[in-house]
Amino acid sequence: AQSVTQLDSHVSVSEGTPVLLRCNYSSSYSPSLFWYVQHPNKGLQLLLKYTSAATLVKGINGFEAEFKKSETSFHLTKPSAHMSDAAEYFCVVSDAGGTSYGKLTFGQGTILTVHP
Amino acid sequence: ETGVTQTPRHLVMGMTNKKSLKCEQHLGHNAMYWYKQSAKKPLELMFVYNFKEQTENNSVPSRFSPECPNSSHLFLHLHTLQPEDSALYLCASSHLSGITDTQYFGPGTRLTVL
Repeated sequence: AQSVTQLDSHVSVSEGTPVLLRCNYSSSYSPSLFWYVQHPNKGLQLLLKYTSAATLVKGINGFEAEFKKSETSFHLTKPSAHMSDAAEYFCVVSDAGGTSYGKLTFGQGTILTVHP
Repeated sequence: ETGVTQTPRHLVMGMTNKKSLKCEQHLGHNAMYWYKQSAKKPLELMFVYNFKEQTENNSVPSRFSPECPNSSHLFLHLHTLQPEDSALYLCASSHLSGITDTQYFGPGTRLTVL
């Protein structure tokens, strides 16, 4: 069984300040972990992906996430927020579990607000 | 952004109507997915097709009927829907490679059932 918990439903930051979106996961297998972003009235866009390679993963738009197995966490960070980062962010876990595809389990989402 | 397209983008229908949602992927993928995104709830996987064969039906009511004529196209046929079916319906595709594959999403169809 797999699950993912996003610890904050809303995060508010000022433009130019760091962003931290927290995610904890549970998985019976070695998981793959993703962060997706969804802007209003748009589909989900992949930000970054971890699949058992380097534990620090760099994504698009300056985002990165660190896989910490001991803490079962995969927090998303960005050094300096931009107004265009305002969106909803989803942490996603997948374990192949021997099947030919990995079933994705989505977190509840974190809405990021960026103030000028 | 244009890798996975969905039409229509918005749909309003009555409970007695029949309509269809269309998804097309231009990425050469061999797996396609339907998800439902309701307010205040996590994304729910509805159906999975691998190589045109349905491999997952996540206890979806029969008023939703998927169709996958080929690896590039996926339909969701709707009939006698209920107001609680109003949601954003997202299509995704991926390339099966034996390990966890990245899913790429379309923009969604915003469905309102009156």
